[in-house]
Amino acid sequence: ETGVTQSPTHLIKTRGQQVTLRCSSQSGHNTVSWYQQALGQGPQFIFQYYREEENGRGNFPPRFSGLQFPNYSSELNVNALELDDSALYLCASSLGVDYFSYNEQFFGPGTRLTVL
Amino acid sequence: AQSVAQPEDQVNVAEGNPLTVKCTYSVSGNPYLFWYVQYPNRGLQFLLKYITGDNLVKGSYGFEAEFNKSQTSFHLKKPSALVSDSALYFCAVRDRNKIIFGKGTRLHILP
Repeated sequence: ETGVTQSPTHLIKTRGQQVTLRCSSQSGHNTVSWYQQALGQGPQFIFQYYREEENGRGNFPPRFSGLQFPNYSSELNVNALELDDSALYLCASSLGVDYFSYNEQFFGPGTRLTVL
Repeated sequence: AQSVAQPEDQVNVAEGNPLTVKCTYSVSGNPYLFWYVQYPNRGLQFLLKYITGDNLVKGSYGFEAEFNKSQTSFHLKKPSALVSDSALYFCAVRDRNKIIFGKGTRLHILP
């Protein structure tokens, strides 16, 4: 059973550029969630994808967008990068979205994005 | 809205001593509570969860957490700390399909 993987590990961009981060979910998982973890803070929920559809979104502007593919891997796209977008971006996979039970979210190692 | 608070930015404990990392919660309805640990340059690792049942929840690496409804607390505990337990610990609560994390508590285990 493979765990959650993310690429790239580190990324440096300049303000105004666009970035794409990638995530491969754990084998058998059909749900992917993305989180932003700023330095010294806890992770904050960006959005979740379930079977290729967005299934909930946190308090992030529309320039944060995502995709989920038929194999349940996912991308996070950020347009018009700002300095405050510098953070660790975490992807988490889980099985299903049953609100009456809970299946743990398994996190990847993250992508460290630096915006200059 | 669901939320958790971790009142301590840092906790220092001598190796071999018991450790406690504090967390309080504010939820509407039944709380689904979690503890995660983050090692340097690593993602979050799930330690344990409380959904229902016994107030004392046992998790990975010898950790346990005590759910206290009257005090709205969910403190993480371990009877005997190891140097390798040094890491960043997050308390979290489920809010529908997302997890809401606290700010984290850095645990230092002193040899």
